[in-house]
Amino acid sequence: DAGVIQSPRHEVTEMGQEVTLRCKPISGHDYLFWYRQTMMRGLELLIYFNNNVPIDDSGMPEDRFSAKMPNASFSTLKIQPSEPRDSAVYFCASSLWTGSGYTFGSGTRLTVV
Amino acid sequence: SQQGEEDPQALSIQEGENATMNCSYKTSINNLQWYRQNSGRGLVHLILIRSNEREKHSGRLRVTLDTSKKSSSLLITASRAADTASYFCATARTLTSYDKVIFGPGTSLSVIP
Repeated sequence: DAGVIQSPRHEVTEMGQEVTLRCKPISGHDYLFWYRQTMMRGLELLIYFNNNVPIDDSGMPEDRFSAKMPNASFSTLKIQPSEPRDSAVYFCASSLWTGSGYTFGSGTRLTVV
Repeated sequence: SQQGEEDPQALSIQEGENATMNCSYKTSINNLQWYRQNSGRGLVHLILIRSNEREKHSGRLRVTLDTSKKSSSLLITASRAADTASYFCATARTLTSYDKVIFGPGTSLSVIP
């Protein structure tokens, strides 16, 4: 397995633009997580899915953020409109169950100018 | 507030020495996990220790868990320059229907050749 695949690796966008981050989890992993990492706040859980269904989105900062998982092999995290304070590294991770070890993707470094 | 807090925040040692990092947490947990993150990369799962386990080994890694003190330690023996990375502890505790995993702020380890 190629692991968790995220795209793009880097994204630079202007304030107000829509940004879409993509993730392909490991086949067979029923759980998918989106995290955001910043120096100030560390790793924050944004949302997680179980069998493609969003279970806990309490970490999503505000309505500008949305996430979907249309099938078991693909998820998106969308920010619309983007703001400079959204600049961070966004990680996708998948796992067999919520308490097991997570496999992380390489992340998307987002810069909003 | 953070469930897990690593200590120290930063650690610098010579190659060949042992490195010890500690993690303290506040509530009861199901398991505790340690991850490594190399600069610019995603997190890599190292080891998971369940709440009913006291010690676990994996190669040069040794993890201990003391649930009475709500603390864990990660020991890396005979460190190598390649061990230079940030190390995170993550605590998993059961909520109503799933295990919530929260990451600490991490310990930055520098191994000097």
